[in-house]
Amino acid sequence: NAGVTQTPKFQVLKTGQSMTLQCAQDMNHEYMSWYRQDPGMGLRLIHYSVGAGITDQGEVPNGYNVSRSTTEDFPLRLLSAAPSQTSVYFCASSYSAGSLEQYFGPGTRLTVT
Amino acid sequence: TQLLEQSPQFLSIQEGENLTVYCNSSSVFSSLQWYRQEPGEGPVLLVTVVTGGEVKKLKRLTFQFGDARKDSSLHITAAQTGDTGLYLCAGARASGSRLTFGEGTQLTVNP
Repeated sequence: NAGVTQTPKFQVLKTGQSMTLQCAQDMNHEYMSWYRQDPGMGLRLIHYSVGAGITDQGEVPNGYNVSRSTTEDFPLRLLSAAPSQTSVYFCASSYSAGSLEQYFGPGTRLTVT
Repeated sequence: TQLLEQSPQFLSIQEGENLTVYCNSSSVFSSLQWYRQEPGEGPVLLVTVVTGGEVKKLKRLTFQFGDARKDSSLHITAAQTGDTGLYLCAGARASGSRLTFGEGTQLTVNP
């Protein structure tokens, strides 16, 4: 099993550009989520999904969209990138919303200039 | 305002020393987790504690959940350079609810 995979590993965008961060898992997990990690602020939840076709907002959803058309994939879209979105983004999955063990991907480091 | 406060934020020690990292909150959590994150990688779960007063050991690491389920500690005995990393605590307010993460403790163990 590959676990949770994320692409790209690094990305540089100009302000106003859009892009999609990819996340996939091969563990048949129902629950998937996106976090951003900034220095001194820990991990903050952006969006999450409890199953295919179901998504909901987390703590910091503004400027991001998600969709969950399959169990395996959970892409994160930046609609119009801003310098405040410079961060490291992590995708995570777990067996269910109530499962205590989350598996994290390796992260995408995004810089917006 | 951070729901989970970790201290210290940075810790640099020599190999062989002992250390304790704290995770505190004014809120009650149904469960609390500790993760370790190495540079360029995602966090990896070390332990989950769910019962007030619970103590779990993982080799040289000892995790404790406070009696009131508002705080937790991670104690490392005889630290090794391989223990270097960012240690994150994360709590769930209720079963099945979303995790809230602390800001992390960056540990550096020097040879």
